[in-house]
Amino acid sequence: AQSVSQHNHHVILSEAASLELGCNYSYGGTVNLFWYVQYPGQHLQLLLKYFSGDPLVKGIKGFEAEFIKSKFSFNLRKPSVQWSDTAEYFCAVNARSSNTGKLIFGQGTTLQVKP
Amino acid sequence: DTAVSQTPKYLVTQMGNDKSIKCEQNLGHDTMYWYKQDSKKFLKIMFSYNNKELIINETVPNRFSPKSPDKAHLNLHINSLELGDSAVYFCASSQTGGLLLEQYFGPGTRLTVT
Repeated sequence: AQSVSQHNHHVILSEAASLELGCNYSYGGTVNLFWYVQYPGQHLQLLLKYFSGDPLVKGIKGFEAEFIKSKFSFNLRKPSVQWSDTAEYFCAVNARSSNTGKLIFGQGTTLQVKP
Repeated sequence: DTAVSQTPKYLVTQMGNDKSIKCEQNLGHDTMYWYKQDSKKFLKIMFSYNNKELIINETVPNRFSPKSPDKAHLNLHINSLELGDSAVYFCASSQTGGLLLEQYFGPGTRLTVT
């Protein structure tokens, strides 16, 4: 069965610090990969996605993620976080063979940025 | 011009009651989903409909019944509510086919069962 693991459950950073959130998935086939963000009290919004091509993808608000196929990883990075980045971050995987769009989510990482 | 909307936003009800949550999308997408987010913020898919046809039906109690009157709407009806049903329920939509499987989420419905 497919699964997604996010290693960091709760991350606390000061403003301007660099961020890296880990995401690993277990599935041997071709996948689509996503990072979603949920700001306090809001719905999930897409940060970035990877379908194919350049494994380094850039998203909104200065976020980027790198797909490393050999490590089954899709880590999220940002060079300098801001207080407004405080939110819940979810990694998600879709198996292309499913043809259903079904997303498997990781358990989420709570990011708290101190001003 | 909200893309995916849900009603109600908050729902407080007693055990044993029956309730419905409505979802509508105006993106022209052909697929809609229901997710449940528990108290630990874990998101799990429950159902998905493609052009009014059920295509994903995860292990969910049969007290939960999705209904899709047309491809722009996917409602969730819950019978005999239990305390464990308390959660935030998110509706989402996407356009299947090709690589565009990005899902757009609604604002969520916070269900509290007392």
